[in-house]
Amino acid sequence: EPEVTQTPSHQVTQMGQEVILRCVPISNHLYFYWYRQILGQKVEFLVSFYNNEISEKSEIFDDQFSVERPDGSNFTLKIRSTKLEDSAMYFCASRRNRAATDTQYFGPGTRLTVL
Amino acid sequence: DAKTTQPNSMESNEEEPVHLPCNHSTISGTDYIHWYRQLPSQGPEYVIHGLTSNVNNRMASLAIAEDRKSSTLILHRATLRDAAVYYCILLFGNEKLTFGTGTRLTIIP
Repeated sequence: EPEVTQTPSHQVTQMGQEVILRCVPISNHLYFYWYRQILGQKVEFLVSFYNNEISEKSEIFDDQFSVERPDGSNFTLKIRSTKLEDSAMYFCASRRNRAATDTQYFGPGTRLTVL
Repeated sequence: DAKTTQPNSMESNEEEPVHLPCNHSTISGTDYIHWYRQLPSQGPEYVIHGLTSNVNNRMASLAIAEDRKSSTLILHRATLRDAAVYYCILLFGNEKLTFGTGTRLTIIP
Protein backbone atom coordinates (compact mmCIF):
# COMPACT_ATOMS: atom_id res chain seq x y z
CA GLU A 1 0.00 0.00 0.00
CA PRO A 2 1.39 3.42 -0.93
CA GLU A 3 2.44 5.59 1.99
CA VAL A 4 3.71 9.03 2.82
CA THR A 5 7.33 9.05 3.93
CA GLN A 6 9.23 11.70 5.88
CA THR A 7 12.89 12.35 6.54
CA PRO A 8 14.64 12.67 8.85
CA SER A 9 12.76 10.92 11.63
CA HIS A 10 14.49 13.12 14.19
CA GLN A 11 16.24 16.45 13.66
CA VAL A 12 18.15 18.26 16.37
CA THR A 13 19.16 21.85 15.70
CA GLN A 14 20.41 24.94 17.48
CA MET A 15 18.12 27.93 17.94
CA GLY A 16 18.42 30.31 15.01
CA GLN A 17 19.46 27.64 12.52
CA GLU A 18 17.52 26.79 9.38
CA VAL A 19 15.96 23.35 9.01
CA ILE A 20 14.33 21.62 6.09
CA LEU A 21 11.92 18.79 6.71
CA ARG A 22 11.26 16.51 3.79
CA CYS A 23 8.25 14.53 2.72
CA VAL A 24 7.45 12.26 -0.19
CA PRO A 25 3.68 12.23 -0.66
CA ILE A 26 1.77 9.42 -2.33
CA SER A 27 2.55 9.61 -6.02
CA ASN A 28 -0.85 10.38 -7.55
CA HIS A 29 -1.90 12.83 -4.84
CA LEU A 30 -2.40 16.49 -5.65
CA TYR A 31 -2.95 18.16 -2.27
CA PHE A 32 -0.26 18.40 0.36
CA TYR A 33 -0.25 19.49 3.98
CA TRP A 34 1.93 20.11 6.97
CA TYR A 35 0.69 19.74 10.53
CA ARG A 36 2.56 19.93 13.80
CA GLN A 37 2.04 18.53 17.25
CA ILE A 38 3.80 19.99 20.25
CA LEU A 39 4.38 17.31 22.89
CA GLY A 40 1.16 16.60 24.78
CA GLN A 41 -0.91 18.96 22.66
CA LYS A 42 -3.32 18.77 19.73
CA VAL A 43 -2.35 18.20 16.12
CA GLU A 44 -2.40 21.66 14.50
CA PHE A 45 -2.74 22.56 10.83
CA LEU A 46 0.09 24.63 9.38
CA VAL A 47 -0.37 24.87 5.63
CA SER A 48 -1.97 23.31 2.57
CA PHE A 49 -0.44 23.33 -0.90
CA TYR A 50 -1.87 22.66 -4.32
CA ASN A 51 -0.70 23.35 -7.86
CA ASN A 52 2.55 24.84 -6.58
CA GLU A 53 0.80 27.38 -4.41
CA ILE A 54 -0.21 27.70 -0.80
CA SER A 55 -3.98 27.34 -0.66
CA GLU A 56 -4.42 27.94 3.06
CA LYS A 57 -2.18 28.66 6.02
CA SER A 58 -2.68 29.03 9.73
CA GLU A 59 -1.56 31.82 12.03
CA ILE A 60 1.35 29.62 13.09
CA PHE A 61 2.72 29.63 9.55
CA ASP A 62 4.46 32.99 9.67
CA ASP A 63 7.30 34.40 7.57
CA GLN A 64 9.77 32.01 9.15
CA PHE A 65 8.06 29.09 7.43
CA SER A 66 7.99 28.21 3.76
CA VAL A 67 6.98 25.21 1.69
CA GLU A 68 8.14 24.00 -1.65
CA ARG A 69 7.66 21.17 -4.08
CA PRO A 70 11.08 21.29 -5.72
CA ASP A 71 10.49 18.33 -8.01
CA GLY A 72 7.73 15.89 -8.84
CA SER A 73 8.07 13.88 -5.68
CA ASN A 74 9.32 15.88 -2.68
CA PHE A 75 7.42 18.35 -0.54
CA THR A 76 9.48 20.35 1.94
CA LEU A 77 8.89 22.54 4.97
CA LYS A 78 11.61 25.06 5.75
CA ILE A 79 11.93 26.93 9.00
CA ARG A 80 14.35 29.80 8.44
CA SER A 81 15.43 30.62 11.96
CA THR A 82 14.26 28.07 14.47
CA LYS A 83 12.99 29.00 17.91
CA LEU A 84 12.71 26.84 21.01
CA GLU A 85 8.93 26.78 20.58
CA ASP A 86 9.27 25.18 17.15
CA SER A 87 10.18 21.92 18.89
CA ALA A 88 7.41 19.52 17.89
CA MET A 89 6.47 16.56 15.71
CA TYR A 90 5.86 17.68 12.15
CA PHE A 91 3.53 15.58 10.04
CA CYS A 92 3.19 15.73 6.30
CA ALA A 93 -0.06 14.57 4.70
CA SER A 94 -1.35 14.16 1.18
CA ARG A 95 -4.67 13.69 -0.45
CA ARG A 96 -5.74 12.85 -3.97
CA ASN A 97 -8.78 15.10 -4.23
CA ARG A 98 -10.24 17.96 -2.27
CA ALA A 99 -13.64 16.35 -1.74
CA ALA A 100 -14.92 16.07 1.83
CA THR A 101 -15.07 12.32 1.31
CA ASP A 102 -11.40 12.05 0.49
CA THR A 103 -8.89 10.73 2.99
CA GLN A 104 -5.74 12.48 4.11
CA TYR A 105 -2.78 10.13 4.46
CA PHE A 106 -0.21 11.09 7.05
CA GLY A 107 3.47 10.33 7.25
CA PRO A 108 5.18 9.03 10.39
CA GLY A 109 6.43 12.48 11.32
CA THR A 110 9.73 14.25 11.97
CA ARG A 111 10.57 15.07 15.55
CA LEU A 112 12.23 18.49 15.61
CA THR A 113 14.18 19.40 18.71
CA VAL A 114 15.47 22.97 18.97
CA LEU A 115 18.16 23.53 21.59
CA ASP B 1 -15.39 24.89 11.84
CA ALA B 2 -18.21 22.92 13.43
CA LYS B 3 -17.26 21.64 16.86
CA THR B 4 -17.24 18.10 18.20
CA THR B 5 -17.23 16.88 21.80
CA GLN B 6 -15.68 13.59 22.87
CA PRO B 7 -14.87 12.03 26.24
CA ASN B 8 -11.24 12.55 27.21
CA SER B 9 -10.60 8.89 27.85
CA MET B 10 -12.16 5.44 27.77
CA GLU B 11 -11.09 1.95 28.73
CA SER B 12 -12.11 -1.36 27.29
CA ASN B 13 -11.17 -4.98 27.75
CA GLU B 14 -9.34 -6.73 24.98
CA GLU B 15 -11.54 -8.66 22.55
CA GLU B 16 -14.66 -6.78 23.58
CA PRO B 17 -16.56 -4.20 21.51
CA VAL B 18 -15.83 -0.53 22.06
CA HIS B 19 -18.27 2.32 21.44
CA LEU B 20 -16.63 5.74 21.14
CA PRO B 21 -19.16 8.58 21.21
CA CYS B 22 -18.99 11.98 19.56
CA ASN B 23 -21.41 14.88 19.88
CA HIS B 24 -21.69 17.41 17.08
CA SER B 25 -24.90 19.30 17.73
CA THR B 26 -24.01 22.19 15.39
CA ILE B 27 -23.32 19.97 12.40
CA SER B 28 -24.55 21.34 9.09
CA GLY B 29 -26.34 19.29 6.46
CA THR B 30 -23.28 18.97 4.26
CA ASP B 31 -20.66 18.14 6.91
CA TYR B 32 -19.14 14.70 6.69
CA ILE B 33 -18.21 12.94 9.93
CA HIS B 34 -14.66 11.63 9.81
CA TRP B 35 -12.80 9.56 12.36
CA TYR B 36 -9.05 9.41 12.55
CA ARG B 37 -6.85 7.80 15.17
CA GLN B 38 -3.30 8.34 16.33
CA LEU B 39 -1.38 5.37 17.61
CA PRO B 40 1.46 6.12 20.04
CA SER B 41 4.38 7.89 18.35
CA GLN B 42 2.72 7.77 14.93
CA GLY B 43 0.94 10.13 12.57
CA PRO B 44 -2.86 10.26 12.42
CA GLU B 45 -4.53 7.48 10.49
CA TYR B 46 -7.91 7.49 8.75
CA VAL B 47 -10.50 5.16 10.24
CA ILE B 48 -13.88 5.81 8.64
CA HIS B 49 -16.28 8.52 7.49
CA GLY B 50 -19.99 8.94 6.83
CA LEU B 51 -22.69 11.46 6.05
CA THR B 52 -26.08 10.10 7.09
CA SER B 53 -26.15 6.33 6.86
CA ASN B 54 -24.25 3.92 9.05
CA VAL B 55 -20.98 2.77 7.50
CA ASN B 56 -18.79 -0.29 7.87
CA ASN B 57 -15.25 -0.98 6.77
CA ARG B 58 -12.55 -3.42 7.72
CA MET B 59 -11.43 -1.30 10.67
CA ALA B 60 -14.67 -0.18 12.28
CA SER B 61 -18.32 0.78 12.00
CA LEU B 62 -19.80 4.25 12.23
CA ALA B 63 -23.29 4.68 13.61
CA ILE B 64 -24.82 8.10 12.91
CA ALA B 65 -27.85 9.35 14.81
CA GLU B 66 -30.92 10.12 12.77
CA ASP B 67 -30.66 13.84 13.57
CA ARG B 68 -26.88 13.68 12.87
CA LYS B 69 -26.10 15.47 16.11
CA SER B 70 -24.09 12.56 17.38
CA SER B 71 -22.22 9.54 16.11
CA THR B 72 -20.51 6.48 17.54
CA LEU B 73 -17.41 4.75 16.32
CA ILE B 74 -17.62 1.03 16.97
CA LEU B 75 -14.62 -1.25 17.18
CA HIS B 76 -16.15 -4.70 17.13
CA ARG B 77 -13.40 -6.57 18.89
CA ALA B 78 -10.74 -4.39 20.42
CA THR B 79 -7.13 -5.52 20.34
CA LEU B 80 -4.11 -4.05 22.10
CA ARG B 81 -3.17 -2.48 18.78
CA ASP B 82 -6.33 -0.34 18.91
CA ALA B 83 -4.99 1.64 21.86
CA ALA B 84 -4.81 5.16 20.45
CA VAL B 85 -6.32 8.64 20.54
CA TYR B 86 -9.47 8.71 18.41
CA TYR B 87 -10.58 11.95 16.78
CA CYS B 88 -14.04 12.78 15.48
CA ILE B 89 -13.79 15.56 12.87
CA LEU B 90 -16.42 17.32 10.76
CA LEU B 91 -15.44 18.12 7.21
CA PHE B 92 -17.10 19.96 4.38
CA GLY B 93 -14.88 20.64 1.46
CA ASN B 94 -12.40 22.30 3.79
CA GLU B 95 -8.98 21.06 3.04
CA LYS B 96 -7.61 21.01 6.52
CA LEU B 97 -8.43 18.65 9.34
CA THR B 98 -9.13 20.39 12.64
CA PHE B 99 -8.16 18.06 15.46
CA GLY B 100 -9.60 18.34 18.94
CA THR B 101 -8.24 16.55 21.96
CA GLY B 102 -9.94 13.28 21.01
CA THR B 103 -10.62 10.24 23.17
CA ARG B 104 -7.66 8.30 24.53
CA LEU B 105 -8.65 4.63 24.35
CA THR B 106 -6.89 2.22 26.68
CA ILE B 107 -7.23 -1.50 26.07
CA ILE B 108 -6.93 -3.74 29.11
CA PRO B 109 -5.41 -7.15 28.39
